[in-house]
Amino acid sequence: QQQVKQSPQSLIVQKGGISIINCAYENTAFDYFPWYQQFPGKGPALLIAIRPDVSEKKEGRFTISFNKSAKQFSLHIMDSQPGDSATYFCAASRPGSARQLTFGSGTQLTVLP
Amino acid sequence: DSGVTQTPKHLITATGQRVTLRCSPRSGDLSVYWYQQSLDQGLQFLIQYYNGEERAKGNILERFSAQQFPDLHSELNLSSLELGDSALYFCASSVVVVGDEQFFGPGTRLTVL
Repeated sequence: QQQVKQSPQSLIVQKGGISIINCAYENTAFDYFPWYQQFPGKGPALLIAIRPDVSEKKEGRFTISFNKSAKQFSLHIMDSQPGDSATYFCAASRPGSARQLTFGSGTQLTVLP
Repeated sequence: DSGVTQTPKHLITATGQRVTLRCSPRSGDLSVYWYQQSLDQGLQFLIQYYNGEERAKGNILERFSAQQFPDLHSELNLSSLELGDSALYFCASSVVVVGDEQFFGPGTRLTVL
C-alpha cells in the first residue's frame, strides 16, 4: 500500500510539445504529492506539489492534475524545451511528523530540439 | 542550489569497510531525511531525524546508522560494506512544522569495490 507507480519509464517529445507523466498510488492516507526533477549528477529538485483538496495546480509551464477518486496524478509540461530533459519523479507522503517520501520509479524525459 | 550540503561528493572504498557521509541541512530546517538511490531500487527512504531525535525508519539495513547533532548536521554511517551498497546517498531537509517540502542535497556517490 506504500507503492507509487509511475509511467512511462521514458518519454521522447519534440520541442514545443506537451510532456505527460502519470502516477498512481494505493494508499489513500497520502495527502501530499510532489514532483521532483533530477539532472544527471544532481540531487532531486522540487518542481511542483499538490494536495488532494485541489484538482489542478499550475506553475509556469508545469501543471499537476489530480484525480482523487482514481488515485492518480500527472505532470504536464507545456511547450517542452530541450532544457527540460531530465528524470522526473513523482512522490507521495502521509500526514504526521515523519513525512518521508515514497517515490515513483522515475521517467527519463528527452526533448528533441 | 538547495542550501543542503553533503560531503564527500564521491567515495570509493572496499568491501568490509566503514564510511561516514555528512549532511548539513538548510538554515532553519530541523528535519533531515536520508535516501538511497540505486538503479534497481530507485529512490528509497532510509531514516529521518528531527531536532536530534530519530523520527522514522524506512528500508535501512542494520549495518547502517545515522545521527543528528546539536548543530543539526547529520551523519550516515555505513559499515561492513558490500558491493550492493554502491549507490547515491541523498540527504534532504525540511521545516516539518511549517511545510512538507523536502530539499535535497547534491548527494554522495558511494562506490564499493
